[in-house]
This record gives sequence, C-alpha cells and structure tokens, in this order.
Amino acid sequence: GAVVSQHPSWVICKSGTSVKIECRSLDFQATTMFWYRQFPKQSLMLMATSNEGSKATYEQGVEKDKFLINHASLTLSTLTVTSAHPEDSSFYICSAPGLAGGPEGNIQYFGAGTRLSVL
Amino acid sequence: DAKTTQPPSMDCAEGRAANLPCNHSTISGNEYVYWYRQIHSQGPQYIIHGLKNNETNEMASLIITEDRKSSTLILPHATLRDTAVYYCIVRFVYTGRRALTFGSGTRLQVQP
Repeated sequence: GAVVSQHPSWVICKSGTSVKIECRSLDFQATTMFWYRQFPKQSLMLMATSNEGSKATYEQGVEKDKFLINHASLTLSTLTVTSAHPEDSSFYICSAPGLAGGPEGNIQYFGAGTRLSVL
Repeated sequence: DAKTTQPPSMDCAEGRAANLPCNHSTISGNEYVYWYRQIHSQGPQYIIHGLKNNETNEMASLIITEDRKSSTLILPHATLRDTAVYYCIVRFVYTGRRALTFGSGTRLQVQP
C-alpha cells in the first residue's frame, strides 16, 4: 500500500527557534497533501492544504506566516513552524490522498506524526 | 458530509469480537462510510469503506444497515494492538482532493 513518511518523529526546540517537518510520499505522487494538528485528548484538526507548485491554503485561524508550507515536488511537502512558542507544542500529522478515483479517492495515507515540544 | 455519532469509549476482551457502532442518520444516497483508526501517538490508518453492501477485508468487516442510517465496524478477534481511537467518517466522492474531517471517535480499549 501507499506509504507516507514523516520526519522527524519527535523534536524539542527552544522558544523562538524554527522547526521544519518533512512529509514524503514514498511510492506515489501527491499533488495535494494535508497538514493536521492534534492536541492531547483531542481529535485531528486540519491546518492547511499543501498544493504542489502553488500556495498552500490555510484553515481559518491558522497563521500562514507562522506555519510555512512548501510543496516543491510531487513527493515532498514541508511544514516550518517559525518562531515556535510553547503553545505550538502539539502533534503534527501529514497525509496524502491516493491517486485512485471514485470512493477510493477518499482514502488518505498518513505519516506517523511529529511530536513538537517547545521549551 | 453527513454528521456521525459514535460512543466515546468501549472495552473489549482480547480474542473477542469488537463491534463499534456509528450513527449517520442524515447520510445521503451517494455518501460513503469510511473507517480509520489512530493508535496512540501515530497517524491515522485507513481500515475499510462501504456504500450500502457489507464489506470485509483483512482488517475488519463493515456492516451497514439497510436504511444506511447506521453502521458497525467489526474486528472479529480483537488483540491488544487494536487498542486505538476509531473514527467513522461519512463523505461524498469529490472530484478534487479534500481533507478528512475527524470527529471525536470511539476509544477502544482491548483488555487482556
């Protein structure tokens, strides 16, 4: 099956620094990828949609200048948390839909997630 | 996409069948039912989907009622590794790629 690799799985950084998270589709191409954030005991919340070759679209309330998304190739999307603060500490997860059409097009493949802790 | 309702938590004994219900009473005729699960500290994993017929794969079975207002995900022989949050998602088949919307799901605890 399709595999999405996310790196790093865990990162600790100091407040004010930037952190980059990578999301790769290993055996398929993904013109669209999604970035979610999950706080403890809560469900996944969509942050933004990453589009290859064009600007990302952000959900309401998500600061685009703080969460920079780059989708430079058909297999890689990156999320950079700029000037991270403790309130940005969370579990960040990316996903990519498969290329199948029809109902299988709603099947998405998720990375393992990145746990960010900002001190 | 239709709203879904799931119990917040369930327990199941290891080796027994786990039956996870989902209510989607406002589902429309061309919306599919999808199930995903999220094991602790991992990304979600697709399990199965269906329209109106019962479906089975190597992971689980999906039973959809005749009126399609509810469904049940069945893990026939639950193991400790099946402990996870299970999400039932109902959605149309879109021509474009759209993100999934996750509810609060059912937290399944498989007991030894």
